[in-house]
Amino acid sequence: GDSVTQMEGPVTLSEEAFLTINCTYTATGYPSLFWYVQYPGEGLQLLLKATKADDKGSNKGFEATYRKETTSFHLEKGSVQVSDSAVYFCALSIYNTDKLIFGTGTRLQVFP
Amino acid sequence: DTAVSQTPKYLVTQMGNDKSIKCEQNLGHDTMYWYKQDSKKFLKIMFSYNNKELIINETVPNRFSPKSPDKAHLNLHINSLELGDSAVYFCASSTPGAGGSTFGSGTRLTVV
Repeated sequence: GDSVTQMEGPVTLSEEAFLTINCTYTATGYPSLFWYVQYPGEGLQLLLKATKADDKGSNKGFEATYRKETTSFHLEKGSVQVSDSAVYFCALSIYNTDKLIFGTGTRLQVFP
Repeated sequence: DTAVSQTPKYLVTQMGNDKSIKCEQNLGHDTMYWYKQDSKKFLKIMFSYNNKELIINETVPNRFSPKSPDKAHLNLHINSLELGDSAVYFCASSTPGAGGSTFGSGTRLTVV
Protein backbone atom coordinates (compact mmCIF):
# COMPACT_ATOMS: atom_id res chain seq x y z
CA GLY A 1 0.00 0.00 0.00
CA ASP A 2 0.89 3.65 -0.08
CA SER A 3 3.22 4.79 2.67
CA VAL A 4 5.66 7.48 3.78
CA THR A 5 8.90 6.92 5.67
CA GLN A 6 10.65 9.71 7.53
CA MET A 7 13.88 9.81 9.43
CA GLU A 8 13.44 9.37 13.14
CA GLY A 9 14.06 12.28 15.42
CA PRO A 10 14.72 14.21 17.32
CA VAL A 11 16.97 16.27 15.12
CA THR A 12 18.94 18.67 17.30
CA LEU A 13 20.70 21.63 15.71
CA SER A 14 22.29 24.90 16.67
CA GLU A 15 20.83 28.09 15.27
CA GLU A 16 21.96 28.85 11.69
CA ALA A 17 22.84 25.20 10.99
CA PHE A 18 21.76 23.44 7.80
CA LEU A 19 18.73 21.19 8.05
CA THR A 20 17.82 18.06 6.13
CA ILE A 21 14.91 15.81 7.05
CA ASN A 22 14.68 12.76 4.82
CA CYS A 23 11.40 11.50 3.43
CA THR A 24 10.74 8.66 1.00
CA TYR A 25 7.46 7.33 -0.24
CA THR A 26 5.77 4.33 -1.81
CA ALA A 27 2.74 4.94 -3.98
CA THR A 28 0.82 3.04 -6.64
CA GLY A 29 -0.34 6.13 -8.50
CA TYR A 30 1.07 9.61 -9.02
CA PRO A 31 1.04 11.26 -5.61
CA SER A 32 1.21 14.84 -4.54
CA LEU A 33 3.73 15.38 -1.77
CA PHE A 34 3.54 17.66 1.24
CA TRP A 35 5.39 18.84 4.28
CA TYR A 36 3.28 19.86 7.25
CA VAL A 37 4.58 21.48 10.44
CA GLN A 38 3.13 21.22 13.94
CA TYR A 39 4.33 23.79 16.45
CA PRO A 40 3.97 22.89 20.13
CA GLY A 41 0.34 22.79 21.20
CA GLU A 42 -0.95 23.70 17.75
CA GLY A 43 -2.54 22.06 14.75
CA LEU A 44 -0.90 21.17 11.47
CA GLN A 45 0.05 23.84 8.99
CA LEU A 46 0.88 23.18 5.37
CA LEU A 47 4.52 24.17 4.91
CA LEU A 48 5.03 23.34 1.24
CA LYS A 49 3.92 21.00 -1.50
CA ALA A 50 4.81 19.58 -4.89
CA THR A 51 2.33 17.97 -7.23
CA LYS A 52 4.52 16.40 -9.93
CA ALA A 53 7.99 15.08 -10.52
CA ASP A 54 10.85 17.63 -10.39
CA ASP A 55 8.61 20.28 -8.82
CA LYS A 56 10.22 22.19 -5.98
CA GLY A 57 8.06 23.40 -3.13
CA SER A 58 9.33 26.27 -1.01
CA ASN A 59 8.13 28.42 1.87
CA LYS A 60 9.72 30.34 4.76
CA GLY A 61 13.20 29.31 3.64
CA PHE A 62 12.31 25.60 3.51
CA GLU A 63 12.57 23.67 0.25
CA ALA A 64 11.81 20.17 -0.98
CA THR A 65 12.10 18.68 -4.46
CA TYR A 66 9.87 15.90 -5.75
CA ARG A 67 12.29 13.19 -6.96
CA LYS A 68 10.44 10.45 -8.75
CA GLU A 69 13.58 8.43 -9.53
CA THR A 70 14.47 8.11 -5.85
CA THR A 71 10.85 8.41 -4.58
CA SER A 72 12.00 11.11 -2.18
CA PHE A 73 10.90 14.53 -0.95
CA HIS A 74 13.60 15.64 1.49
CA LEU A 75 13.06 18.85 3.44
CA GLU A 76 15.94 21.33 3.60
CA LYS A 77 16.65 24.71 5.10
CA GLY A 78 19.92 26.57 4.84
CA SER A 79 19.88 28.27 8.23
CA VAL A 80 17.47 27.20 10.96
CA GLN A 81 16.15 29.41 13.72
CA VAL A 82 14.97 28.62 17.23
CA SER A 83 11.45 29.40 16.04
CA ASP A 84 11.65 26.48 13.59
CA SER A 85 11.51 24.03 16.49
CA ALA A 86 8.48 21.86 15.77
CA VAL A 87 7.42 18.46 14.48
CA TYR A 88 7.61 18.08 10.71
CA PHE A 89 5.41 15.61 8.84
CA CYS A 90 5.93 14.38 5.32
CA ALA A 91 2.72 13.27 3.61
CA LEU A 92 1.33 12.14 0.29
CA SER A 93 -2.04 12.09 -1.37
CA ILE A 94 -3.08 10.22 -4.46
CA TYR A 95 -4.59 12.34 -7.23
CA ASN A 96 -8.25 13.19 -6.67
CA THR A 97 -8.54 11.66 -3.22
CA ASP A 98 -6.86 14.29 -1.04
CA LYS A 99 -6.69 11.67 1.70
CA LEU A 100 -3.34 12.30 3.35
CA ILE A 101 -0.99 9.51 4.34
CA PHE A 102 1.52 10.76 6.86
CA GLY A 103 4.97 9.75 7.90
CA THR A 104 5.67 9.35 11.60
CA GLY A 105 6.88 12.91 12.04
CA THR A 106 10.35 14.25 12.89
CA ARG A 107 10.88 16.50 15.87
CA LEU A 108 13.31 19.35 15.24
CA GLN A 109 14.91 21.11 18.19
CA VAL A 110 16.97 24.22 17.50
CA PHE A 111 19.10 25.70 20.26
CA PRO A 112 20.56 29.22 20.36
CA ASP B 1 -12.34 34.31 10.82
CA THR B 2 -10.79 30.94 11.61
CA ALA B 3 -10.79 28.68 8.55
CA VAL B 4 -11.36 25.31 10.26
CA SER B 5 -12.58 25.49 13.82
CA GLN B 6 -13.22 22.64 16.19
CA THR B 7 -14.71 22.53 19.64
CA PRO B 8 -13.91 21.78 22.32
CA LYS B 9 -10.15 22.20 22.42
CA TYR B 10 -9.84 19.93 25.44
CA LEU B 11 -12.16 17.14 26.57
CA VAL B 12 -11.65 15.04 29.68
CA THR B 13 -14.21 12.33 30.33
CA GLN B 14 -14.71 9.00 32.03
CA MET B 15 -14.71 5.61 30.38
CA GLY B 16 -18.08 4.58 29.08
CA ASN B 17 -19.32 8.11 28.42
CA ASP B 18 -20.53 9.43 25.06
CA LYS B 19 -19.04 12.63 23.70
CA SER B 20 -19.09 14.77 20.56
CA ILE B 21 -16.56 16.99 18.83
CA LYS B 22 -17.77 19.64 16.42
CA CYS B 23 -16.03 20.98 13.33
CA GLU B 24 -16.89 23.83 11.00
CA GLN B 25 -15.07 25.22 7.98
CA ASN B 26 -15.69 28.53 6.23
CA LEU B 27 -13.44 27.89 3.23
CA GLY B 28 -16.15 26.61 0.92
CA HIS B 29 -14.37 23.26 0.65
CA ASP B 30 -16.29 20.23 -0.56
CA THR B 31 -14.52 17.60 1.52
CA MET B 32 -13.99 17.27 5.25
CA TYR B 33 -11.98 14.78 7.28
CA TRP B 34 -11.28 13.49 10.73
CA TYR B 35 -7.74 12.44 11.62
CA LYS B 36 -6.49 10.87 14.84
CA GLN B 37 -3.06 11.63 16.30
CA ASP B 38 -1.90 9.17 18.93
CA SER B 39 0.49 9.70 21.81
CA LYS B 40 3.48 9.07 19.53
CA LYS B 41 2.32 11.83 17.18
CA PHE B 42 1.31 9.35 14.48
CA LEU B 43 -1.49 10.74 12.30
CA LYS B 44 -4.05 8.59 10.56
CA ILE B 45 -7.22 9.38 8.66
CA MET B 46 -10.47 8.15 10.16
CA PHE B 47 -13.24 9.48 7.91
CA SER B 48 -13.80 11.63 4.88
CA TYR B 49 -17.04 13.27 3.75
CA ASN B 50 -17.70 14.93 0.42
CA ASN B 51 -20.79 17.13 0.26
CA LYS B 52 -22.34 15.33 3.24
CA GLU B 53 -21.62 11.89 1.79
CA LEU B 54 -19.26 9.44 3.51
CA ILE B 55 -16.45 8.46 1.13
CA ILE B 56 -13.72 7.11 3.41
CA ASN B 57 -14.11 5.01 6.55
CA GLU B 58 -10.74 3.66 7.60
CA THR B 59 -11.81 0.64 9.66
CA VAL B 60 -12.81 2.76 12.60
CA PRO B 61 -14.83 1.07 15.39
CA ASN B 62 -18.59 1.47 15.18
CA ARG B 63 -18.47 3.51 18.37
CA PHE B 64 -17.27 6.40 16.21
CA SER B 65 -20.01 7.99 14.14
CA PRO B 66 -19.38 11.04 11.99
CA LYS B 67 -22.28 13.25 11.01
CA SER B 68 -22.31 15.93 8.35
CA PRO B 69 -25.44 18.10 8.45
CA ASP B 70 -24.10 20.23 5.60
CA LYS B 71 -20.85 20.51 3.70
CA ALA B 72 -19.46 23.09 6.11
CA HIS B 73 -19.84 20.90 9.18
CA LEU B 74 -18.53 17.50 10.20
CA ASN B 75 -19.10 16.34 13.75
CA LEU B 76 -17.67 13.27 15.44
CA HIS B 77 -19.67 11.39 18.02
CA ILE B 78 -18.02 8.72 20.12
CA ASN B 79 -19.99 6.20 22.15
CA SER B 80 -18.80 4.17 25.13
CA LEU B 81 -15.42 5.86 25.34
CA GLU B 82 -12.39 3.69 26.07
CA LEU B 83 -8.95 4.52 27.43
CA GLY B 84 -7.45 3.85 24.01
CA ASP B 85 -9.54 6.62 22.49
CA SER B 86 -7.34 9.18 24.24
CA ALA B 87 -5.68 11.14 21.44
CA VAL B 88 -5.76 14.43 19.59
CA TYR B 89 -8.47 14.53 16.93
CA PHE B 90 -8.01 16.86 13.99
CA CYS B 91 -10.64 18.05 11.60
CA ALA B 92 -9.53 19.11 8.12
CA SER B 93 -11.04 20.24 4.84
CA SER B 94 -10.00 20.49 1.23
CA THR B 95 -11.12 20.89 -2.33
CA PRO B 96 -10.13 17.69 -4.14
CA GLY B 97 -7.22 18.11 -6.48
CA ALA B 98 -6.31 21.54 -5.13
CA GLY B 99 -3.39 20.14 -3.21
CA GLY B 100 -3.32 19.93 0.56
CA SER B 101 -5.81 20.13 3.38
CA THR B 102 -6.42 22.84 5.96
CA PHE B 103 -6.43 21.56 9.52
CA GLY B 104 -8.17 22.69 12.65
CA SER B 105 -6.22 23.20 15.85
CA GLY B 106 -7.22 19.84 17.28
CA THR B 107 -9.23 18.45 20.18
CA ARG B 108 -7.27 16.71 22.90
CA LEU B 109 -9.47 13.92 24.26
CA THR B 110 -8.45 12.30 27.53
CA VAL B 111 -10.40 9.30 28.76
CA VAL B 112 -9.89 8.48 32.45
